[in-house]
Amino acid sequence: DGGITQSPKYLFRKEGQNVTLSCEQNLNHDAMYWYRQDPGQGLRLIYYSQIVNDFQKGDIAEGYSVSREKKESFPLTVTSAQKNPTAFYLCASSRPGGAGYEQYFGPGTRLTVT
Amino acid sequence: RKEVEQDPGPFNVPEGATVAFNCTYSNSASQSFFWYRQDCRKEPKLLMSVYSSGNEDGRFTAQLNRASQYISLLIRDSKLSDSATYLCVVNMKEGYQKVTFGIGTKLQVIP
Repeated sequence: DGGITQSPKYLFRKEGQNVTLSCEQNLNHDAMYWYRQDPGQGLRLIYYSQIVNDFQKGDIAEGYSVSREKKESFPLTVTSAQKNPTAFYLCASSRPGGAGYEQYFGPGTRLTVT
Repeated sequence: RKEVEQDPGPFNVPEGATVAFNCTYSNSASQSFFWYRQDCRKEPKLLMSVYSSGNEDGRFTAQLNRASQYISLLIRDSKLSDSATYLCVVNMKEGYQKVTFGIGTKLQVIP
């Protein structure tokens, strides 16, 4: 089955530690995205990548970093510089080109930093 | 003004009722529109695309009004399983596929 996987589902970290969230897709999509969702708020874009070895900052990139070395993989690192890292993180992918394609989401990682 | 606005609700409706949600968008250059469903603590899942001509999928009907810049979702004969948050999504080509999500409208169908 084609889809997007994110791991782990739940992640707990101490303040001051960097943590990397995994996102893998086998949909053969070129474009991949990371979002953050907080209670009572919509999804906010952290980073996106339209093609391998290229990525761009979204609306709330501060304190995060990404890499895109393979088409299937788009890991997100939450660094200690991120002031409020506790949130629900969602990875998505879509076909490239134009604005007509829907996004497919992974199951998300719920990160808690104490 | 927010790029995409939705009434967060909650909308509490009895089983069997018809319920409608609207979503307004601010950028007239927006190109494509979707409704997603998100269950509690789960990822959003595509419910349906929204076309200018309107589209229907079973009990669900989506409409787009470009002149007034809103999209709508109508759910007929509500089921308990329809209880979820419904996200309005607007896409635009802005160098990349810029995707803007509404905050979502929470629907609770009551027995």
